[in-house]
Amino acid sequence: QKEVEQDPGPLSVPEGAIVSLNCTYSNSAFQYFMWYRQYSRKGPELLMYTYSSGNKEDGRFTAQVDKSSKYISLFIRDSQPSDSATYLCAFHTGGFKTIFGAGTRLFVKA
Amino acid sequence: GAVVSQHPSWVICKSGTSVKIECRSLDFQATTMFWYRQFPKQSLMLMATSNEGSKATYEQGVEKDKFLINHASLTLSTLTVTSAHPEDSSFYICSASPASNTGELFFGEGSRLTVL
Repeated sequence: QKEVEQDPGPLSVPEGAIVSLNCTYSNSAFQYFMWYRQYSRKGPELLMYTYSSGNKEDGRFTAQVDKSSKYISLFIRDSQPSDSATYLCAFHTGGFKTIFGAGTRLFVKA
Repeated sequence: GAVVSQHPSWVICKSGTSVKIECRSLDFQATTMFWYRQFPKQSLMLMATSNEGSKATYEQGVEKDKFLINHASLTLSTLTVTSAHPEDSSFYICSASPASNTGELFFGEGSRLTVL
């Protein structure tokens, strides 16, 4: 079993749709949960950062962590064409290394 | 959020030459920086962890003599691709964290290397 599983997509949605991006993980030691957005030919940008189970909201973005199921999600409301990017989930144990998912490519069609 | 600057954003070089890429944390000090390589449509591959004032820690399969990393100050790490060959062509990205143990990483813009 891989340490992190993330569907690479691509995921194509119409503008205004609610987008749900997900990752599962197997390492119980993960304490920090993150979502990064990466536009083509750019470095990743930190979108959401959470520590505990539950929801965290920031504008149109909601990050959800379910430690009991080892499952994290990122929801994007009212998706826009500018949201078209690759979204990477990431996990950290509190040590030095961050583990990244493969990334999900999202396309929001106008 | 914290800012990490990476330079150059793209470089083209001849086979056999060396190329240096700089990564700077502009508004925070970073005792640790990370270097990644990314192939098209693939995720980030960690190459090495750069530690200020000490030797870098390389991931398995990454050639230390090929990819030289220097972390001379708390705000600057450099990656030198020595004797570059076409197979070294890739997108190289650095990251740094204001806190060493939370995983909250801030990335540079990336450097696209093309070796002819």
